[in-house]
Amino acid sequence: AQSVTQLGSHVSVSEGALVLLRCNYSSSVPPYLFWYVQYPNQGLQLLLKYTSAATLLKGINDFEAEFKKSDTSFHLTKPSAHMSDAAEYFCAVSDIYGGSQGNLIFGKGTKLSVKP
Amino acid sequence: DTGVSQNPRHKITKRGQNVTFRCDPISEHNRLYWYRQTLGQGPEFLTYFQNEAQLEKSRLLSDRFSAERPKGSFSTLEIQRTEQGDSAMYLCASTGNLPPGLAGRHEQFFGPGTRLTVL
Repeated sequence: AQSVTQLGSHVSVSEGALVLLRCNYSSSVPPYLFWYVQYPNQGLQLLLKYTSAATLLKGINDFEAEFKKSDTSFHLTKPSAHMSDAAEYFCAVSDIYGGSQGNLIFGKGTKLSVKP
Repeated sequence: DTGVSQNPRHKITKRGQNVTFRCDPISEHNRLYWYRQTLGQGPEFLTYFQNEAQLEKSRLLSDRFSAERPKGSFSTLEIQRTEQGDSAMYLCASTGNLPPGLAGRHEQFFGPGTRLTVL
């Protein structure tokens, strides 16, 4: 079965500092991986996705992620945090095996706080 | 493109009552998913429609839950005899017409959710 694990339920950084949000996946076959962001009382918005092409992905708002098969990771980074980045971030894997139809399996989320 | 919309945005009900939520996907999208998100957790898959056909249900979808998409456009999710454990955010997402095997590669577009509180 596929799954993702997000390390750290809360991450706090200073404005301008590097953002690193960790995600590890468990999959016996090549996965499709996603990072979504959720602002309070809103739905989820896609930041970026990995679908087996490039391993270094660039998303919206200067976020990036690198797919590393060697350590089954898909960590999300941003060089310089903005106050507006404060939100909850979810890593997800697409369940496309065993007859599933592409529904997403989400991690528990990491809440990012940005200090001025 | 007006995005995915959900109504109502908030619903407060008493235990034992029935509730119904509506999701309007992006107009050309034929795939529609329902998820449930409880406090401090990521969304969990409930059910999936391709056009009007409900093709997959999660074990989370108990007998008290029913979902429909009668004309392949909007969808409704009904919860009968609500329980306090049903309190959650119910999210709807849609994605476009894709060949089998490619659906998992594509972005799902999420609505703002319906927050249900069962007293």
